[in-house]
This record gives sequence, C-alpha cells and structure tokens, in this order.
Amino acid sequence: DAGVIQSPRHEVTEMGQEVTLRCKPISGHNSLFWYRQTMMRGLELLIYFNNNVPIDDSGMPEDRFSAKMPNASFSTLKIQPSEPRDSAVYFCASSFGGRARDEQFFGPGTRLTVL
Amino acid sequence: TQLLEQSPQFLSIQEGENLTVYCNSSSVFSSLQWYRQEPGEGPVLLVTVVTGGEVKKLKRLTFQFGDARKDSSLHITAAQPGDTGLYLCAGELSYNTDKLIFGTGTRLQVFP
Repeated sequence: DAGVIQSPRHEVTEMGQEVTLRCKPISGHNSLFWYRQTMMRGLELLIYFNNNVPIDDSGMPEDRFSAKMPNASFSTLKIQPSEPRDSAVYFCASSFGGRARDEQFFGPGTRLTVL
Repeated sequence: TQLLEQSPQFLSIQEGENLTVYCNSSSVFSSLQWYRQEPGEGPVLLVTVVTGGEVKKLKRLTFQFGDARKDSSLHITAAQPGDTGLYLCAGELSYNTDKLIFGTGTRLQVFP
C-alpha cells in the first residue's frame, strides 16, 4: 500500500487566497483525521471523519476552515480566505476502527506558507 | 491549556547515553501512545499501552504507563543517532475515546 497520500507537499500563497489541501487515506480505513502542527501549539486535531461523516470539528479554528469527505478515498481541507497565521504543516491521518487507540497512519504533510 | 505536558522539551545527548522522556497529565487516559516524527515526515506509532503500570519494551526503548493512568515515560538505552527525532505522547481520554490528545513533544538530538 502507498500509505496516506497528501497533496500538495508545499503551498505558498498570499493572504486572502483560497487554499485546498487534499488527502487520500489508506484503502479500507474508515476513519480520517486532519491535524495542524506548529512550533507554538504542537499537533492539534482539527476535524475527524468516521465512515465519511464528520464526527467532531471542534478543533477547526474558525469559519474560514472547512473539510469534506465525499467518499471513502478522498478528503479536502479548505481555507478561505487564508491568513498568515494559518501557516503550518497540515497532516492527514487514517485508521481502521472507531477508537482513538487504533493506530493512525499519517501522511507526509502539506507545508503551507501564507504571505 | 495542554492536557499532556512532556519534559524535557529539548534534549541533546551523545551517542551511547541513556535518557528518559516524561509525559504528564492530571487527566486519566484509557490508553496512551508514543509516536516518533522525523523531519519532513508524519508521526509514526511506536507503542500503545492500555493497563496502569504496564511496561513495554521495543529493542532499546522501554515504555511505562503510570499506575493511575495519568502519566507515561519513555526510556532509551544507549541512544544512537538514528533515534533523533520528535517524540510525541498521545492519550485516549477515558471520557472521550473518539480522538487522541497529543502532548507538547520532546525534540531529541543524538550526536555521534
């Protein structure tokens, strides 16, 4: 298996632009997680899906952030409009099972820079 | 407020030394995991502990879950440059088993 795939790996954009991050989970996994990692705040859970349904989006910073999972093999995280404070590494992870202790497999991340 | 505090935050040691990383909380966890993250990559799971007092060994790494399930430690014997990375603990809260809470992280550098 290729593992969790994220694209793009790097994104540089200007403040106010729309940014879309993409994730393909491991085939057969039924849970998908979006995280954000910064030096100041560490690794934070933004939102997670179970069987394509958003379960908890309490970590989404504000209405500028939205996430979708139209099918079991694809998810997007969108920021509109982007701001410099959104600069971070965004990770997607997937797992099989419905509990937090189930091993999560992380993608390589998307490094976002908002100028 | 961070639910899981790790110490030390940074650690630089010479190859062959021993070290211990701590993960502490005032909350009770149903399980606790340790991940290692290398530069430019996502975290990779090392171990999961689920029973208070549990000890697990993975080659030169020893993981312990506290008796009260509020803390954990990671001990590395005879550290090697390949152990360099960011170590993250992550807990499954006893009252919310849907998601992991990640610790603040310990950045380890092992010099040859």
